[in-house]
Amino acid sequence: EDKVVQSPLSLVVHEGDTVTLNCSYEVTNFRSLLWYKQEKKAPTFLFMLTSSGIEKKSGRLSSILDKKELFSILNITATQTGDSAVYLCAVPHGSSNTGKLIFGQGTTLQVKP
Amino acid sequence: DGGITQSPKYLFRKEGQNVTLSCEQNLNHDAMYWYRQDPGQGLRLIYYSQIVNDFQKGDIAEGYSVSREKKESFPLTVTSAQKNPTAFYLCASSPTFDSYEQYFGPGTRLTVT
Repeated sequence: EDKVVQSPLSLVVHEGDTVTLNCSYEVTNFRSLLWYKQEKKAPTFLFMLTSSGIEKKSGRLSSILDKKELFSILNITATQTGDSAVYLCAVPHGSSNTGKLIFGQGTTLQVKP
Repeated sequence: DGGITQSPKYLFRKEGQNVTLSCEQNLNHDAMYWYRQDPGQGLRLIYYSQIVNDFQKGDIAEGYSVSREKKESFPLTVTSAQKNPTAFYLCASSPTFDSYEQYFGPGTRLTVT
């Protein structure tokens, strides 16, 4: 059965800290891994990773995929209170390209001033 | 502005009543999805539609029904057969059925008492 597991489930840090969020997966026919940020309501897309070892970067956020060890990490440097959110990891699942995603439980990040 | 709208934001119903949640997109996307999110859990796929007039069951379709008569609309009906309907419901769309970057609406919080 395909599954995605995120850790930690919750995290509290202070502004300026660096955090690392983890996402491990077990899925047949791996195609890609996606990260989303969910603030209050709608998740917004952050990154899609398909190749192992290639870092994707956007400002203070970066992510990398390890297809051998079946995990991805999301790093946030110099955290700000606006980074407080639930971070979701997802992978496509199913034997064919259907757009179906399976999501992890999410990591709730709280950044204190 | 292009985007996905869901209405209403909050919905209250008595047990035993069917209720329909609205989802509309003006992004000209082919594929649309319905997810359910419970506290401390990730998103779980209820139904998805790869193209107009077609839809498929997701991982937790029991007690739900959908229709896709128009490209821009994908309403979800929560029937009285759904045993635990109280949850946060998210609608999403993607440009084509095999593109994994999904765009989410703001969600509807349904409470059934």
